[in-house]
Parts: sequence; C-alpha cells; structure tokens
Amino acid sequence: DTAVSQTPKYLVTQMGNDKSIKCEQNLGHDTMYWYKQDSKKFLKIMFSYNNKELIINETVPNRFSPKSPDKAHLNLHINSLELGDSAVYFCASSQVSGSSPLHFGNGTRLTVT
Amino acid sequence: SQKIEQNSEALNIQEGKTATLTCNYTNYSPAYLQWYRQDPGRGPVFLLLIRENEKEKRKERLKVTFDTTLKQSLFHITASQPADSATYLCALEGGRGYSTLTFGKGTMLLVSP
Repeated sequence: DTAVSQTPKYLVTQMGNDKSIKCEQNLGHDTMYWYKQDSKKFLKIMFSYNNKELIINETVPNRFSPKSPDKAHLNLHINSLELGDSAVYFCASSQVSGSSPLHFGNGTRLTVT
Repeated sequence: SQKIEQNSEALNIQEGKTATLTCNYTNYSPAYLQWYRQDPGRGPVFLLLIRENEKEKRKERLKVTFDTTLKQSLFHITASQPADSATYLCALEGGRGYSTLTFGKGTMLLVSP
C-alpha cells in the first residue's frame, strides 16, 4: 500500500493556466506538507497543514493555495502558472511530535511552457 | 541567516569502503537532525534521526554523529554497495515548534563495483 500518493506524476501545461495536484496519505498522520524541489535539487517547504489548519505559510506567491478537505488529503492549487513554477512538487506527512520523520510522495514534475 | 551545507561535490567511492558525508549548519540550534535518502525520480526516504543529546546513532550499516559544538553531523555508510548510490539529504528542525524540516541540498554518493 502506498503511504503518501500524489497525482499526477507529470504535469505539462502552458503559462497562465490553473492546475491542481492531489495528495493523499493513509498513515493516519496529523500534519501534511508541500515541498518544492527546483532544478538545483533544493527542497524547500511551501506549506504545512495540521488538523486542517494552515500552520506554516512560507513566502510563496498567493497564486499557490493549499486545500485540505480532510486530515488525509492536502491538495495544491496553482493559478496563473508561470515559467518559474516549473519544478518537482512533493507532498509529505508526519505525526505532530516535532521530531517525527517525514513520509514523502514520489513527486509531481510540473513543466510550464 | 540560517544555512545548511553538505558536500557540494558528488562523492565517488569503491564498493566495500566507508562513505562519509558531512552536514554543517550555522545559525540553528536544532533539537534534532534527520538524514534522508533520495533516488532519482523518487521522494526522499527517512533513514535516521539523532537528537541533540545523542552523540551517535547506528542502524545496520549506517552511523550518524551529531556535534552541536562544531554544528556538524557526519553520516557514515560502512561496507558500501552500489545499491547505496543515491543523494543523501540532511534536515534540521526549523524551530517553529512543529515538524518543519529545512533540508540541505544533498550529496550525491556513487559507489562503484
């Protein structure tokens, strides 16, 4: 069973479009995250959700919005896509213990043309 | 500003040798440090966590040390195998009270047969 699954795996779209990436975890974790890994492989936190409350919102453009319908899902909506949004986006989850390991999905490679 | 630095170059070693990867940090006082492995096209996978009051942690062929005075962690893989070839990431707790990890850029390890 896949612990953290995200779809789609690949997403190719044109500038200006709006797209969504879905994420689901079946680990019963309380916190979910979105990370962005750019072309230099740097993994940066974007958002964190704990029990449906946004607890971190790093300095990302407000074109990006996380939406959590329930504890097991955290979707990422991106409006008005730009070339610089091209990257791999990873969803992750953890327990809210402060030192819990993160469990990552296998990423969504977004290419904006 | 806070910084996490890992060996910037890829590390090439021969099978059977011990690989040692370095993670240095500045302007952090992390309560714990984590190491992850990332294979191409996959999400990072948790390997080990070490707390600030622990000098060393072992798991099978893996060993991690944590020196809060030097602000450094060393990650060792003994009796390395070609299957150990991957990128290894260190991550520090960001001090926000929740499990918010900040990742280093990673070191690519290549183990030759």
